[in-house]
Amino acid sequence: QKEVEQNSGPLSVPEGAIASLNCTYSDRGSQSFFWYRQYSGKSPELIMFIYSNGDKEDGRFTAQLNKASQYVSLLIRDSQPSDSATYLCAVNMRYGNKLVFGAGTILRVKS
Amino acid sequence: KAGVTQTPRYLIKTRGQQVTLSCSPISGHRSVSWYQQTPGQGLQFLFEYFSETQRNKGNFPGRFSGRQFSNSRSEMNVSTLELGDSALYLCASSSDRWKYGYTFGSGTRLTVV
Repeated sequence: QKEVEQNSGPLSVPEGAIASLNCTYSDRGSQSFFWYRQYSGKSPELIMFIYSNGDKEDGRFTAQLNKASQYVSLLIRDSQPSDSATYLCAVNMRYGNKLVFGAGTILRVKS
Repeated sequence: KAGVTQTPRYLIKTRGQQVTLSCSPISGHRSVSWYQQTPGQGLQFLFEYFSETQRNKGNFPGRFSGRQFSNSRSEMNVSTLELGDSALYLCASSSDRWKYGYTFGSGTRLTVV
C-alpha cells in the first residue's frame, strides 16, 4: 500500500463546475495535510492546509479531512481553465517523520 | 521576501560524473528538504535538514548526500551519476513543516547523458 494515494486522472470538468479531488493515506498518526498545485514546468505551490476533521474553506477551495477514514479531499468551486494543473496531496507522516506526496491528480477544466 | 532559490536551473552531466546542487531557503526558515521529481515516480523524498542536522532520509542510495550550513543554505551531491538520476530536483524550506508545509524553489533540471 502506498503511503499517500491519489487517482492520477485526468479529471475533466466543464468551466463553472465543482472539481472534487481525493486522497487517502496509510499512517493513522498523520496530523497535518496539504494540497499543492503544480502547473506544467513549474514547481509545486501550496494552496491549502488542514489539521482538524471537517471542512476548511478558502475562497473557491474547500479542504475536507476525515481522520477516521484516512481521507482528505479538495473541492474547487466554479472551476476555471486556469485551474487546469496537477494537484498534489501531501501528508506529514508521524511514521518516518517526513512529508510524503501523492503522485498527483491531473485536472482539466474545459471552457 | 525572497523565495527559495535553487542554482543552477539546468544541468547536463555525463554518466559517472558527480554534481552539486545548491539551495538558499527563505530567510528565517531552518528546515530544508530535497525531493526528486520524475514523471514515473512523482515527488520522492530525499532528505531533510534542520539546523545543520539531517533529520531523516528517504530510500535513495548512498550516492545521494546533502548538507546544511549554519546560514541554513543547503547543498545536495550526487556522485557516480546514472542515466536514471535525470530528474527535477526540488528544494523546499519551512519555518515549521508540521504547521505550514513547505515552500518550493523552482528546481534544478538535471539531465544525465
